[in-house]
Amino acid sequence: DTAVSQTPKYLVTQMGNDKSIKCEQNLGHDTMYWYKQDSKKFLKIMFSYNNKELIINETVPNRFSPKSPDKAHLNLHINSLELGDSAVYFCASSQARAGELFFGEGSRLTVL
Amino acid sequence: AQSVTQLGSHVSVSEGALVLLRCNYSSSVPPYLFWYVQYPNQGLQLLLKYTTGATLVKGINGFEAEFKKSETSFHLTKPSAHMSDAAEYFCAASGGSYIPTFGRGTSLIVHP
Repeated sequence: DTAVSQTPKYLVTQMGNDKSIKCEQNLGHDTMYWYKQDSKKFLKIMFSYNNKELIINETVPNRFSPKSPDKAHLNLHINSLELGDSAVYFCASSQARAGELFFGEGSRLTVL
Repeated sequence: AQSVTQLGSHVSVSEGALVLLRCNYSSSVPPYLFWYVQYPNQGLQLLLKYTTGATLVKGINGFEAEFKKSETSFHLTKPSAHMSDAAEYFCAASGGSYIPTFGRGTSLIVHP
């Protein structure tokens, strides 16, 4: 049973399209995150939700919109995709806001 | 705001040699500190963490790290490298803002 699962694992799309990545965790954690990992492996936090409430919203273009229908799910929707959005997006969860993160396997987005 | 610095984007060792990966942090409050490992095409997984108490922390796969407050460091070591240790290693810190901040990662290369 995968603790944090993301779909899809790979996503190839054209510039200007809209796409979504879904994330689900079955650990019973209260806090979920989206991280972006660029080609140089740098991990940058994008968003964090605690019990369905947005608590972190870093400087991210407003083309990116997270949605948390319940505390086990945190989805990421991206509008008007650009070449620079190509990256690996990781979902993670934690029991407490300063606790250990459990990561999904990542979703590799390629924008052509 | 806290920050995490990992010295050396690449570290190369021979199999059986000592592994030392360096991490320094800056934080206005006592941090929680973590080391994560990322194998190719996978998500990150926790190696070890420091929250409070004993400053020498043991983790999985024979790794350990020591929290040195006076040096603001949390270096990762392993006495004897295995080929299977080749991966990307990330140091992370959570402080008063509870935003988990990652260093830029160190790629560990193990030579036979």
